[in-house]
Amino acid sequence: QLQLQESGPGLVKPSETLSLTCTVSGGSISSSYYYWGWIRQPPGKGLEWIGSIYYSGGTYYNPSLKSRVTISVDTSNNQFSLQLSSVTAADTAVYYCARPGRGGSYYDSWGQGTLVTVSS
Amino acid sequence: EMVMTQSPATLSVSPGERATLSCRASQSVSSNLAWYQQKPGQGPRLLIYGASTRATGIPTRFSGSGSGTEFTLTISSLQSEDSAVYYCQQYHNWPLTFGGGTKVEIK
Repeated sequence: QLQLQESGPGLVKPSETLSLTCTVSGGSISSSYYYWGWIRQPPGKGLEWIGSIYYSGGTYYNPSLKSRVTISVDTSNNQFSLQLSSVTAADTAVYYCARPGRGGSYYDSWGQGTLVTVSS
Repeated sequence: EMVMTQSPATLSVSPGERATLSCRASQSVSSNLAWYQQKPGQGPRLLIYGASTRATGIPTRFSGSGSGTEFTLTISSLQSEDSAVYYCQQYHNWPLTFGGGTKVEIK
């Protein structure tokens, strides 16, 4: 059974870079025809797509975050990662990684999510 | 960017009754529309993709319909465990976008 697990610091200082890794187990990142994703959810708010990556490295980003976001993939370790630079309190959220479905870039399996708080 | 608008924001339904949730896209997304359920403290769970195909393990009381710009998620006979927030998401074009969510409460 495929599982995704986010990992990284739970507290980041303003203006620094948020870095998270998603480790995939029970399946291969290279097996999907679609784009693996990062999605976030500020406390008490809705879902916001951050960006997505194909196993070969192709990416798409949310235009509102594009200047600050980098998503990368490490197929040898079955991981993909998120970096978000110059963070502010508005970036405080639960961050999820997710697997795309068989028919497109909807997400049929999600990590448990990790809360990242931006505070000094 | 496609804007996804969900209505109503909150829906209060009695157990056993039908719940109807709407999602409207600012442009056609064909049938590239997914629905998710999110309960407090949990991550989203995929319910429907392709506008009308139930994901693995989803009860038959959940059904999706629509195409183009107008979509509906129907819960045919609401159960207490269906209390949650429901989100739609289009995957027709980049950037991917989610609706703002509909909270379903049990009356």
